[in-house]
Amino acid sequence: GENVEQHPSTLSVQEGDSAVIKCTYSDSASNYFPWYKQELGKRPQLIIDIRSNVGEKKDQRIAVTLNKTAKHFSLHITETQPEDSAVYFCAAIDPYQGGSEKLVFGKGTKLTVNP
Amino acid sequence: DVKVTQSSRYLVKRTGEKVFLECVQDMDHENMFWYRQDPGLGLRLIYFSYDVKMKEKGDIPEGYSVSREKKERFSLILESASTNQTSMYLCASSLRIYNEQFFGPGTRLTVL
Repeated sequence: GENVEQHPSTLSVQEGDSAVIKCTYSDSASNYFPWYKQELGKRPQLIIDIRSNVGEKKDQRIAVTLNKTAKHFSLHITETQPEDSAVYFCAAIDPYQGGSEKLVFGKGTKLTVNP
Repeated sequence: DVKVTQSSRYLVKRTGEKVFLECVQDMDHENMFWYRQDPGLGLRLIYFSYDVKMKEKGDIPEGYSVSREKKERFSLILESASTNQTSMYLCASSLRIYNEQFFGPGTRLTVL
């Protein structure tokens, strides 16, 4: 099955700096890669996603890049703000042929933005 | 606005008890999921369902079962709770697997 590795596990940046979180996946057939943000005490929420036919996607200060050859994808947050502090999870579709497709999540990155 | 609700925010049970966690979504979503969240381990899929009365094992199904008798409701059952099942349990639903998953608020279960 699919295996998703996420790095770093913790990241601390100064307000206004950029933050980058990287994930690698194992199955080259994976074709959907969402990112979820979970603020302290709250439920995870989708912030951006990318499909394998696209190399990059942006939404204001957030961007995701995908390198299918290297099997990795990254979340980029520019001009970080204290409200960006949260745990971020990447995920990839597990295209398991013996059953139904499902998402496999990385272990999460705790981002702290210091004022 | 999608709403996913879970029956309890906090639950304390004793070892060996049968535990029911219920999840209800109000957006007519086909897909429903049960995850377990532990520090440093991320979100791990226990079971999922893509249709009524259909269920599939996720990555950590041992010790759990599920029931989906109606489209909007997906129940997680711990047949005989053990201390290593103390965790945060999150339910989610989505229209399709390639669509956003909407999560419930979570149930923090403590097994003594």
